[in-house]
Amino acid sequence: IAGITQAPTSQILAAGRRMTLRCTQDMRHNAMYWYRQDLGLGLRLIHYSNTAGTTGKGEVPDGYSVSRANTDDFPLTLASAVPSQTSVYFCASSDTGDSDGYTFGSGTRLTVV
Amino acid sequence: RKEVEQDPGPFNVPEGATVAFNCTYSNSASQSFFWYRQDCRKEPKLLMSVYSSGNEDGRFTAQLNRASQYISLLIRDSKLSDSATYLCVVNRNTGGFKTIFGAGTRLFVKA
Repeated sequence: IAGITQAPTSQILAAGRRMTLRCTQDMRHNAMYWYRQDLGLGLRLIHYSNTAGTTGKGEVPDGYSVSRANTDDFPLTLASAVPSQTSVYFCASSDTGDSDGYTFGSGTRLTVV
Repeated sequence: RKEVEQDPGPFNVPEGATVAFNCTYSNSASQSFFWYRQDCRKEPKLLMSVYSSGNEDGRFTAQLNRASQYISLLIRDSKLSDSATYLCVVNRNTGGFKTIFGAGTRLFVKA
């Protein structure tokens, strides 16, 4: 089934640990995005990539890094997790950019303790 | 002030009711608009795009008012299955990233 796969589904992580959230799409979409969703704040963009090999900072990039080595994969890394990074993380993709709707993955629920 | 604002609700309506949500945006350079639906503990899914001329998809009607900078979503003959959070999304043509999500409006449809 075409779409976006995120892993893990959920994770409890000790503060200070490093963690990589995985995101893979099989739709050959050019653009990919990482959002976090917190109650009352909605979806906030962390990082984005308009095409393989390029990345950009979103609204809340601090403490996160991304890479886009190929079209399909867009991993998000927390170098040293802090409790404020407890959130639901969604990866998304779109075909030609912002004028298209997004396809979202099913999300990763991360709890940093 | 948030760039995209929605009434968080919740809206509690009986089955068969008509319900409308509004969403206001502050950036007049915004160019494209969408409504997404998000079920509890699920990912957002595109419901419909919002065109300048308005558009309709079954029981759902979306409209855009550029002069007043708001978009609306009308749901007619509400079903239990319409219970969800509805997210307003605005694309602006300035800045490094362009897509802004509203925080969502929760809808509960009751029997």
